[in-house]
Amino acid sequence: EVHLVESGGGLVKPGESLRVSCAVSGFTFKDAWMNWVRQAPGKGLEWVGRIRSKSGGGTTDYAAPVKGRFTISRDDSKDTLYLQMISLKTEDTAVYYCTTDSDFLFQHWGPGTLVTVSS
Amino acid sequence: DIVMTQSPDSLAVSLGERATINCRSSQTILYSSNNKNYLAWYQQKPGQPPKVLISWASTRESGVPDRFSGSGSGTDFTLTISSLQAEDVAVYYCQQYYSIPRTFGQGTKLEIK
Repeated sequence: EVHLVESGGGLVKPGESLRVSCAVSGFTFKDAWMNWVRQAPGKGLEWVGRIRSKSGGGTTDYAAPVKGRFTISRDDSKDTLYLQMISLKTEDTAVYYCTTDSDFLFQHWGPGTLVTVSS
Repeated sequence: DIVMTQSPDSLAVSLGERATINCRSSQTILYSSNNKNYLAWYQQKPGQPPKVLISWASTRESGVPDRFSGSGSGTDFTLTISSLQAEDVAVYYCQQYYSIPRTFGQGTKLEIK
């Protein structure tokens, strides 16, 4: 069974940094393309970015609001996906979900981790 | 970026009645080389992550009840629930995967009348 669990969320001040993680199981992580999607409180879904598998080039794409501040990486030896966030803004407050990217679909999701940016 | 616009923003339907949600993309998401529409529908219940219901505009995912159907092509799409059940109360999102950035509609909140 596919399982994704995010961790590392919390309360930070504007301008600070935070790294959230996503531990996965139940599928071959090294072959998977992965995404981060976020949802501000009471709002809709917003794609944050994705990382290809190493065999797919291992490259990343980002949404404009986070490009240059957020970095997606992966550790295939640990079956873990990361989202490093710097220069956080209040508008980055959201639940952050990791998702698989299967035939373009966000097929499997974790329960999410809440990141709150507030002074 | 492709902008996805859903209508209505909220909808109240009686149990057993039909619910229809519309989604429009700012440009075509029909890929001419394979004649596929790069559109998915997701269902999100309170306190849960989204779940994919429909892919390629009209293909129901495994385990999704057949009361859910998707239609449309090009820029205009529809999600239909043929006979609303209590467990269908949720927010529904369309999403295009034709290009990066992936973009979602703003969501349609479906309630029981």
